[in-house]
Amino acid sequence: QVQLLQSGAEVRKPGASLKVSCKASGYPFSGYYMHWVRQAPGQGLEWMGWIIPATGGTKYAQKFQGRVTMTRDTSISTAYMELKNLRSDDTAVYFCARGLPAPGDTYYLDVWGKGTTVAVSS
Amino acid sequence: DIQMTQSPSPVSASVGDRVTITCRASQDISRGLAWYQQKPGKAPQLLIYAASSLQSGVPSRFSGSGSGTDFTLTISSLQPEDFATYYCQQANNFPLTFGGGTKVEI
Repeated sequence: QVQLLQSGAEVRKPGASLKVSCKASGYPFSGYYMHWVRQAPGQGLEWMGWIIPATGGTKYAQKFQGRVTMTRDTSISTAYMELKNLRSDDTAVYFCARGLPAPGDTYYLDVWGKGTTVAVSS
Repeated sequence: DIQMTQSPSPVSASVGDRVTITCRASQDISRGLAWYQQKPGKAPQLLIYAASSLQSGVPSRFSGSGSGTDFTLTISSLQPEDFATYYCQQANNFPLTFGGGTKVEI
């Protein structure tokens, strides 16, 4: 069964950093892009970036450039998203999501983790 | 960034109704559009990709159409489990962007 298992909820103070993990199972981890998307309370979806597990290549939304780092450990089929210098408006649910496998379809997200709730508050 | 605008919101409908949701892109995105369904407290689920391709396992009452800047998601006969929020997402340019969502309610 294809599954993305995310790490648990986190609480951070403004200015702190956060690292969320996403462990993949049931499919070849290196063969699919991994995206990160967040959703603030009561709001819509916001794409943060992707990582190519096979190469470690990344692409980030300009909004998060300089604050976000996406990495992976292929030996344990796990992707990570680190966000630094947290602000109150980073309070959100953070999702990892797998891209479809076919070239040209990698930006459509077919399998999602359940989400990691992050609260940033002093 | 490409802006995605959904309408209407919310949509009030009954079981058995035909429901149409529209999504407009601020510039031409060819057929690079997906539709997702999200229920409260859950992750989104991919319904349609590349404007009209039905994702595996998704009921055939869902269909998508459009190209360029104007797109449509149609639910041919609304079922109780379809009451949810629907998002469009453009996949043609970075950053990937989502519409604001359309809530389908009773």
